[in-house]
Amino acid sequence: AQTVTQSQPEMSVQEAETVTLSCTYDTSESNYYLFWYKQPPSRQMILVIRQEAYKQQNATENRFSVNFQKAAKSFSLKISDSQLGDTAMYFCAFRGASKLTFGTGTRLQVTL
Amino acid sequence: GAVVSQHPSWVICKSGTSVKIECRSLDFQATTMFWYRQFPKQSLMLMATSNEGSKATYEQGVEKDKFLINHASLTLSTLTVTSAHPEDSSFYICSAGSGGNYEQYFGPGTRLTVT
Repeated sequence: AQTVTQSQPEMSVQEAETVTLSCTYDTSESNYYLFWYKQPPSRQMILVIRQEAYKQQNATENRFSVNFQKAAKSFSLKISDSQLGDTAMYFCAFRGASKLTFGTGTRLQVTL
Repeated sequence: GAVVSQHPSWVICKSGTSVKIECRSLDFQATTMFWYRQFPKQSLMLMATSNEGSKATYEQGVEKDKFLINHASLTLSTLTVTSAHPEDSSFYICSAGSGGNYEQYFGPGTRLTVT
C-alpha cells in the first residue's frame, strides 16, 4: 500500500516570502502521479500542481513549483511571493494504478 | 471545464433517519466517482469507488450496508447514509474521473450533521 507523509502539521510565512512544504511517499509502483491540493476554509479541494513520475523536469505553475526527487521519494512544494490568499490546508497526494492517497496535510498561515 | 457539483451543501438530520447526497459531473462524463469522508482538521479518507453501472468497491472498514452508493449514470452518483447516527456527522466529498484520465475533479463537499 502507498503511504504519503507530510511531516509539518503547521507552517507560517510572511507575505511576499517563500515557503517550502515537505512530502515523502512510499510505493513500489514505477508509474504514478503526484499532486498538491489546496483546501481553503471553504473546503473546496483545489489542484495546485501535478507531477508525472516519468518526467524528470520539476513542474511549475506560476508561483508554485515542486522539487521532485524520485529516488528519494520526495515531492516538496515551494510557494514563492506568498499571498494572504495562500492561507489554507495543503495536501500532498499520490495516484498510482488505483486510488488517490492523501497525506495528513500542512496548515499554512500567511501573515502580514 | 471539469466541474463537479454536490447537493445538498449542508444537511441536518435526526438520528435513525437516512440522508442522500448527490454528486454530479456537469460538463463531462464521469466513468468513475469517488466518495471521501473528512473529519475536522483531518485528511480525506476514501470510502468507496464506483464505476458507472457497476457495484461500488468499498474501502476496508467502511460499512457497505450503511453507506449505499449508486452510480446509475455517467453524470450522477449518490451516497445514502442509512440509519444515521451522530458519529456519522462529517464532511463528505465526491470526486469524478473520466476514462483513462488520471486526474480527479472534486465537488465542493457536503456537511452532514446528525442530531
